[in-house]
Amino acid sequence: ETGVTQTPRHLVMGMTNKKSLKCEQHLGHNAMYWYKQSAKKPLELMFVYNFKEQTENNSVPSRFSPECPNSSHLFLHLHTLQPEDSALYLCASSPGQGEETQYFGPGTRLLVL
Amino acid sequence: DAKTTQPNSMESNEEEPVHLPCNHSTISGTDYIHWYRQLPSQGPEYVIHGLTSNVNNRMASLAIAEDRKSSTLILHRATLRDAAVYYCILRPQGAQKLVFGQGTRLTINP
Repeated sequence: ETGVTQTPRHLVMGMTNKKSLKCEQHLGHNAMYWYKQSAKKPLELMFVYNFKEQTENNSVPSRFSPECPNSSHLFLHLHTLQPEDSALYLCASSPGQGEETQYFGPGTRLLVL
Repeated sequence: DAKTTQPNSMESNEEEPVHLPCNHSTISGTDYIHWYRQLPSQGPEYVIHGLTSNVNNRMASLAIAEDRKSSTLILHRATLRDAAVYYCILRPQGAQKLVFGQGTRLTINP
């Protein structure tokens, strides 16, 4: 138990669906992250939020739309995804003062049909 | 981002020490060496990090070469629970980003 929870743990969606992934951290952290882990590829950073403001977007397609309503919650809204977007989506948090340990959730396994 | 090189896989036996190597010949003076591991069906978890001196914590030890171009993660007495993918990551001072490579898949034999 890392203090970072993600729901749902598994998701199957069609290419025309809209769904959202949720991440919640109970650590009092101020920075939150979305990573993508595709089969046979390294983890890729997607977005970084500091104090609810997006500070990094790693050239992510607009069909992925993040939202950070407060420092404890992070969402990833999905729409018109492609089969190649099937992956494990991981959320992480850190205290938010630069180079420090990141704590990861268990991930959401997404399958796009 | 400075690059690291790790073996794709390693195998060891339970209750024996494991030495996981990492080469980072292009490391800069302000890059910290971080290690994370990812157990099956879980997100990555922090293991240890260091800058120049060797480091020990309850999970592992980190031995850093004098020229800092390589480092070794040491698990002193491996258990089956240590089977995971281990990532060696260079992280510039003050940087939030973690740039993951392919890592080393460690198998522990009973």
